[in-house]
Amino acid sequence: QKEVEQNSGPLSVPEGAIASLNCTYSDRGSQSFFWYRQYSGKSPELIMSIYSNGDKEDGRFTAQLNKASQYVSLLIRDSQPSDSATYLCAVGPSSASKIIFGSGTRLSIRP
Amino acid sequence: DAGVIQSPRHEVTEMGQEVTLRCKPISGHDYLFWYRQTMMRGLELLIYFNNNVPIDDSGMPEDRFSAKMPNASFSTLKIQPSEPRDSAVYFCASSSSAPREQYFGPGTRLTVT
Repeated sequence: QKEVEQNSGPLSVPEGAIASLNCTYSDRGSQSFFWYRQYSGKSPELIMSIYSNGDKEDGRFTAQLNKASQYVSLLIRDSQPSDSATYLCAVGPSSASKIIFGSGTRLSIRP
Repeated sequence: DAGVIQSPRHEVTEMGQEVTLRCKPISGHDYLFWYRQTMMRGLELLIYFNNNVPIDDSGMPEDRFSAKMPNASFSTLKIQPSEPRDSAVYFCASSSSAPREQYFGPGTRLTVT
């Protein structure tokens, strides 16, 4: 079992709709959770971090964390073509200072 | 404030040559991470430092790879000798604490022919 799992996609969503990206993790003691966006040929860019159960909203982005289910998600409202990118989920395990990245979900917003 | 700075941005070298990648973390950050990204293997952590001390180098693929952090403002990743399978994008990231938010540099695209 991978430590951080994501569906590789591609996930195709119509412009203006809600894009939902999901991630599961194996370390039940994990305390920190992140979403990065990576455009083709660019470096990963941090867009959200979440540390407590529940929802955290920032503009069009909402991160949701459910530690009991070991599940974290990212919702993008009013999807725009500029949201087309690969989204990386990352988790901070309980026993180390590093964060573990998933393999990423490729998101495509179709006009 | 300047973000993480990496140099060179692109490096093309021949098999067997030594390659040195450089990174300047964000000022005040005391964690520095080196990653490698390929299509096949995704984003892999190679090594990370805390206060200039290597903490975990378990991701370093083999003895041809070495990393140093002589001071809080500078780190190097060296490959000697380089091989075609080392071709990848190498990222440096830094963080003010861990496991917390990491900020990535623009990366170095390495091509070994």
